Amino acid sequence: EAQVTQNPRYLITVTGKKLTVTCSQNMNHEYMSWYRQDPGLGLRQIYYSMNVEVTDKGDVPEGYKVSRKEKRNFPLILESPSPNQTSLYFCASRGRGSYEQYFGPGTRLTVT
Amino acid sequence: DQQVKQNSPSLSVQEGRISILNCDYTNSMFDYFLWYKKYPAEGPTFLISISSIKDKNEDGRFTVFLNKSAKHLSLHIVPSQPGDSAVYFCAALISNFGNEKLTFGTGTRLTIIP
Repeated sequence: EAQVTQNPRYLITVTGKKLTVTCSQNMNHEYMSWYRQDPGLGLRQIYYSMNVEVTDKGDVPEGYKVSRKEKRNFPLILESPSPNQTSLYFCASRGRGSYEQYFGPGTRLTVT
Repeated sequence: DQQVKQNSPSLSVQEGRISILNCDYTNSMFDYFLWYKKYPAEGPTFLISISSIKDKNEDGRFTVFLNKSAKHLSLHIVPSQPGDSAVYFCAALISNFGNEKLTFGTGTRLTIIP
């Protein structure tokens, strides 16, 4: 089954404790992206990757890092989480020549 | 600055009737538009899209209309079914074979009343 998976689905952590949210897709897609969803703001792009070893900032990259060492994986790293990063996070991917992005199920992160 | 706006946070429609969800945008560079549907505890799923060279695209019960001069698009669902109850997001992008970043609206929660 073609899908985007994220782990963990839910995470409660404390300020300053480094964490990683994993994202993996099995569709051989070149393009991957991270979004965060906040009430009243819709989904906003954090980082994206056009292919392996190619990453760039989206609209709200502050406080986040990403890496793309393999085509299928695109982890989101919060080196020192803060309460304003409490949000619902979505990973997405799409293939070359298509504008349709496939989204993962989401990761709900709470930073206290 | 919200470039894609969905001014109705919620909408209730009787089962079998037409649901019309609206979306306005401000960036005239947007040339491709998509609608996503989202159920609780799931990621958004693609529903239907339209290129700016068209003014209508139809897929079964779903039709999207684009009015470029008004910078407005709408999603029509006919007939509405209980399974259509979800949050609907309008999204827009500028196609440039680079980062075709989706710019999302804030969503409209559609409730179909049986």
